[in-house]
Amino acid sequence: ETGVTQTPRHLVMGMTNKKSLKCEQHLGHNAMYWYKQSAKKPLELMFVYNFKEQTENNSVPSRFSPECPNSSHLFLHLHTLQPEDSALYLCASSQEGGDTEAFFGQGTRLTVV
Amino acid sequence: DAKTTQPPSMDCAEGRAANLPCNHSTISGNEYVYWYRQIHSQGPQYIIHGLKNNETNEMASLIITEDRKSSTLILPHATLRDTAVYYCIVRARRRFNTGTASKLTFGTGTRLQVTL
Repeated sequence: ETGVTQTPRHLVMGMTNKKSLKCEQHLGHNAMYWYKQSAKKPLELMFVYNFKEQTENNSVPSRFSPECPNSSHLFLHLHTLQPEDSALYLCASSQEGGDTEAFFGQGTRLTVV
Repeated sequence: DAKTTQPPSMDCAEGRAANLPCNHSTISGNEYVYWYRQIHSQGPQYIIHGLKNNETNEMASLIITEDRKSSTLILPHATLRDTAVYYCIVRARRRFNTGTASKLTFGTGTRLQVTL
């Protein structure tokens, strides 16, 4: 248990569906991240939030829409995805300007059919 | 953030020490060396980090060369549960929140296979 919780753990969705991934951290951290890990590939950073403000978007397609309503919660809204978007989506949090490392959730395994 | 180079795979017998090397020849003065591992299909797990001194915790030891251009992660008594991909990452560490987060950039890591 890392203190970062992701739901759901598994998700199957059609290309026309709209779904959301949720991430919650109870560590008091001020930065949160979304990563994507496709099969046999390194983790790719998607989005970074610092104090609820998005500070980085790594050229992610608009069919992925992040939302950070407060420092403890991070969402990734999904719509009209493609089969190649099937991957493990990981959330992480850290304390910027502090002495803590980044902690990761267990991820959401997404399959787009 | 500086790039790192790691061997793609290593084997280790259970009960023996696993020594995982990492080269980071372009590391700058304010960058720390971090190690994470990822067991199959789970989120990465933090192991240890250091700046220039050797570090040890309940999971592992980190040996950093004097010139800081390379480091070695040591798992003193590897078990089957240590089979995972191990990532060496260099990352700046800031004392204050500058408004942008210092992100972790993952490479391909070293796949450690611990065998009986």
